[in-house]
Amino acid sequence: DSGVTQTPKHLITATGQRVTLRCSPRSGDLSVYWYQQSLDQGLQFLIQYYNGEERAKGNILERFSAQQFPDLHSELNLSSLELGDSALYFCASSVAPDRGGWGKETQYFGPGTRLLVL
Amino acid sequence: DAKTTQPPSMDCAEGRAANLPCNHSTISGNEYVYWYRQIHSQGPQYIIHGLKNNETNEMASLIITEDRKSSTLILPHATLRDTAVYYCIVRPAYGGATNKLIFGTGTLLAVQP
Repeated sequence: DSGVTQTPKHLITATGQRVTLRCSPRSGDLSVYWYQQSLDQGLQFLIQYYNGEERAKGNILERFSAQQFPDLHSELNLSSLELGDSALYFCASSVAPDRGGWGKETQYFGPGTRLLVL
Repeated sequence: DAKTTQPPSMDCAEGRAANLPCNHSTISGNEYVYWYRQIHSQGPQYIIHGLKNNETNEMASLIITEDRKSSTLILPHATLRDTAVYYCIVRPAYGGATNKLIFGTGTLLAVQP
């Protein structure tokens, strides 16, 4: 158990709909990362938040958005869903580095949310 | 980011050591080598990481060659529960690309009874 929690575990929805995935980081971690794992693309970084602010962006579609709340939990919002959005969505968290250097901080992953768009 | 090359699959007998290789010939001086594993669609699990020196923890050992162009993850006594995809990731300590982990295709380790 990494200490990162994600809800829901499974989500089935229809094309065109909107869903919200939730992540709670490990106690003490200020940074949250979102990753998508699909069969054809593998594990890909979407976005990072640090203490409520967007810190880095990856291959995140404009239909997707995220935020981190004052209690440090994060939500990933997926809208106008398409069949190709079906994937596993993972959240990870890490502490903040003392002097920059995010690459030195280990990311710990949650169990993921499996999204199926029909 | 430095790229990594791993064999697509490996077998290991239960109870024996599993040695998983990774080539990262273009690694630069401030890049860490991280290892994660993913057991059948579960969240990736952190195993170990290192910069220059060999590292050991309760899960595994990481051996990094002196020129840092390759590394080996060693699971000393593999069990059936170690069957997973193992990812070797090279990650800069500093700079704009450090926030994300870049996962390749990894090595599927199958531990055989």
